[in-house]
Amino acid sequence: GESVGLHLPTLSVQEGDNSIINCAYSNSASDYFIWYKQESGKGPQFIIDIRSNMDKRQGQRVTVLLNKTVKHLSLQIAATQPGDSAVYFCAENPGTGFQKLVFGTGTRLLVSP
Amino acid sequence: EPEVTQTPSHQVTQMGQEVILRCVPISNHLYFYWYRQILGQKVEFLVSFYNNEISEKSEIFDDQFSVERPDGSNFTLKIRSTKLEDSAMYFCASSGHGELEAFFGQGTRLTVV
Repeated sequence: GESVGLHLPTLSVQEGDNSIINCAYSNSASDYFIWYKQESGKGPQFIIDIRSNMDKRQGQRVTVLLNKTVKHLSLQIAATQPGDSAVYFCAENPGTGFQKLVFGTGTRLLVSP
Repeated sequence: EPEVTQTPSHQVTQMGQEVILRCVPISNHLYFYWYRQILGQKVEFLVSFYNNEISEKSEIFDDQFSVERPDGSNFTLKIRSTKLEDSAMYFCASSGHGELEAFFGQGTRLTVV
């Protein structure tokens, strides 16, 4: 799915830099959070998730940090590559019992070689 | 790697016509979802489906929308009388038992003219 995102916040980095994408959530009852990557013309692709009983989780080249005090989530991408260029969405499960995800507005990451 | 598949990739329909969007979720998954993404906007939850019934739906999912699992593999979204504002990317997703991570399909772009 394209997200033309004329008003999407954009993060521009050089290849090899570390990237940090931020997300604020509003529901203090949310108990589960996911970061998705969406490339042009494609569906959201799972990157990493974290439950509310954790404050950090690491994957391959990615780290998610959760600060429940200020309701803030961040995605850190190490050694960013041109293939990382995409729109990144955070999503939260508001804890209603079923797996409904509430998506944020997205951040466009542009990686220059 | 198992994936969610959606057909068609692009559907153009006249206002007032009925459309059916089709999805084949990952085979051992039990929870199924439809989301939509209007161009330039965030991904929005429509409906979740479990054990052959709707478990949760958003206010977008009004009487014009319905979902069905007609057999053991397909999951469909029907819009009875399409409106111009139904134009969007529609994503199907599925997740397994006890798993909060939802896997998304590539989407169907619906254009109502």
